Amino acid sequence: DAKTTQPNSMESNEEEPVHLPCNHSTISGTDYIHWYRQLPSQGPEYVIHGLTSNVNNRMASLAIAEDRKSSTLILHRATLRDAAVYYCILSSGNQFYFGTGTSLTVIP
Amino acid sequence: DAGVIQSPRHEVTEMGQEVTLRCKPISGHDYLFWYRQTMMRGLELLIYFNNNVPIDDSGMPEDRFSAKMPNASFSTLKIQPSEPRDSAVYFCASSHWTGSYEQYFGPGTRLTVT
Repeated sequence: DAKTTQPNSMESNEEEPVHLPCNHSTISGTDYIHWYRQLPSQGPEYVIHGLTSNVNNRMASLAIAEDRKSSTLILHRATLRDAAVYYCILSSGNQFYFGTGTSLTVIP
Repeated sequence: DAGVIQSPRHEVTEMGQEVTLRCKPISGHDYLFWYRQTMMRGLELLIYFNNNVPIDDSGMPEDRFSAKMPNASFSTLKIQPSEPRDSAVYFCASSHWTGSYEQYFGPGTRLTVT
């Protein structure tokens, strides 16, 4: 399983943008980059995924480096409800291997 | 749709007892996954099924753990006999190919073995 590296924790002020980085230098050509988040006492939930191009959806944006060895999840305006653990996952199929993720604290 | 349903939400049992966790996936999803989450090891994939058939059980920790999926709408994860180190939150997830394998997780079962 391909490895990802994320900071253990990050803080953001409410209503400011948040950039969550992920390094995945061993990514293979068929690996998709997935982001999930886990709110306290809940199961993980899908945020966004991409392969090569940047992606946008109602929750976030995903910026993928040209060499695909890193990516950044962008929350455009952090809210208190965005406080969660964010997982960056590589997968070429339907098996996901969750790392330790980044714990995001949003400061009012 | 009600989402992935898991039962019970909480289970407290004594060491040596049999524990059965239940999962109902989202209707129409053909993949079902069982995960375990602990503070020490994070979120681990235990086993997954495709069309009710176990595909990869390499994450199952030992023979005390078994999982079945008798039909498309029901799966069980059984621990017999249970041990204190099995205490964790167990999640079930389901998915269906829609251009990606977005997984939908249930609320989890918090298992405590004393």
